[in-house]
Amino acid sequence: DQQVKQNSPSLSVQEGRISILNCDYTNSMFDYFLWYKKYPAEGPTFLISISSIKDKNEDGRFTVFLNKSAKHLSLHIVPSQPGDSAVYFCAASARTGGFKTIFGAGTRLFVKA
Amino acid sequence: DGGITQSPKYLFRKEGQNVTLSCEQNLNHDAMYWYRQDPGQGLRLIYYSQIVNDFQKGDIAEGYSVSREKKESFPLTVTSAQKNPTAFYLCASRTDYNSPLHFGNGTRLTVT
Repeated sequence: DQQVKQNSPSLSVQEGRISILNCDYTNSMFDYFLWYKKYPAEGPTFLISISSIKDKNEDGRFTVFLNKSAKHLSLHIVPSQPGDSAVYFCAASARTGGFKTIFGAGTRLFVKA
Repeated sequence: DGGITQSPKYLFRKEGQNVTLSCEQNLNHDAMYWYRQDPGQGLRLIYYSQIVNDFQKGDIAEGYSVSREKKESFPLTVTSAQKNPTAFYLCASRTDYNSPLHFGNGTRLTVT
């Protein structure tokens, strides 16, 4: 049972435009959400997070939106740059059971110059 | 520099052998995690530990074992019972709940 789902395996965007990556979750116990960027054969790099008490968090070009009623979050990258091309993972944490943190399957973003 | 060290980067083993992957952190983080990534797939949780001498099974713990005897160390043993051990293994840690996971650079295990 996939508790965190990223239904788009890939996304292609023109440089300078907005990239929107989506993530859905099923477990209502999740209350802290994170986005990571990953290159092959490397560990993921943290981008931005959001607590369930908020519905938006912004850091530079990156904004995360959380819709708790829909159990949906999204990452917006504006403007997109070729260096943003990577795999993006969303993750969700629950306090119960000792900080369990589950990742989605990832979305590969291609930013075309 | 503080960080998470996974060693070795590449590991090769024969089928039927147990192998232990090292994960050491000097970030003074309480919680540590092991994930597995297969080609084209996401990160799947193997084991995690909130504090020393305590750990919980993740979603794919079968065929793996861990120990957490020291705060800075969380070794993962891939046993011969793991059906498909060839994968990229990632270790992570975090300081408290509302903080991000910090990852090591991974160990690629190949079992033939």
